[in-house]
Amino acid sequence: DAGVTQSPTHLIKTRGQQVTLRCSPKSGHDTVSWYQQALGQGPQFIFQYYEEEERQRGNFPDRFSGHQFPNYSSELNVNALLLGDSALYLCASSFGTGGYEQYFGPGTRLTVT
Amino acid sequence: EDKVVQSPLSLVVHEGDTVTLNCSYEVTNFRSLLWYKQEKKAPTFLFMLTSSGIEKKSGRLSSILDKKELFSILNITATQTGDSAVYLCAETNRDDKIIFGKGTRLHILP
Repeated sequence: DAGVTQSPTHLIKTRGQQVTLRCSPKSGHDTVSWYQQALGQGPQFIFQYYEEEERQRGNFPDRFSGHQFPNYSSELNVNALLLGDSALYLCASSFGTGGYEQYFGPGTRLTVT
Repeated sequence: EDKVVQSPLSLVVHEGDTVTLNCSYEVTNFRSLLWYKQEKKAPTFLFMLTSSGIEKKSGRLSSILDKKELFSILNITATQTGDSAVYLCAETNRDDKIIFGKGTRLHILP
C-alpha cells in the first residue's frame, strides 16, 4: 500500500518564477491538505482540497493556489516566488474532511534564490 | 485567532529518562488535539485526543488532554536514542482547520 507521495523531492527556483508541486494521497484517501514548514517552525496550513474543491484556506496570499484531480491527487502552485517562500512543503491526506488522522508525505524542499 | 504553544522548545535528556512535553491551545470550536513525531521530513501520527481525562497509550508513549485547562501532555518513559525527534502538537477545529505548534526538539543522549 503506497503511502503519500510527493514530487519533486528538492527544487531550486529563482525569485519571480513559478513552481508546481505534486502530491498523491494514500490509497483510499480523498482529502489532501498542504502545509508550509519553515526551518524551526511547525507546519503552517495552506489549504485543503476535497471533492476537487478548496474547502479551507490558511493565511496565505493568492500567489498560492492549488488543484485536486478526479483521482484525488493534488498540485500546489506558487507564483511570483519570494525568498521567504523557501521551505519544506508537506502534503497530507485523510479520508473525508473530518478525519484528522492525516498521513504526511516526505515533502518537497523548495529553495528560492 | 487559534493558537498552539508547545514547551519546552528543546530538551536534552539521557537515555532511560522520562520526559513530559507540553502543549497548550486557544481555540474556538475545538474538535481534537493531535500529536506527531517528525524525524527527517514527514511527521508521523502518534495520537488524536478528543475527550478530557482519557489517556491514550502506545508502548512507552502516552498522552492526555485537559479540555478545561486547554492543554495536553505527551509522556515518553524509558527514552531511547530513537526517540530523538521534533514532537509536534496540533489542534483541529470544527471549521476543518489544523493549527500546529512550533514543536519540541527532543535529543536523547546515549
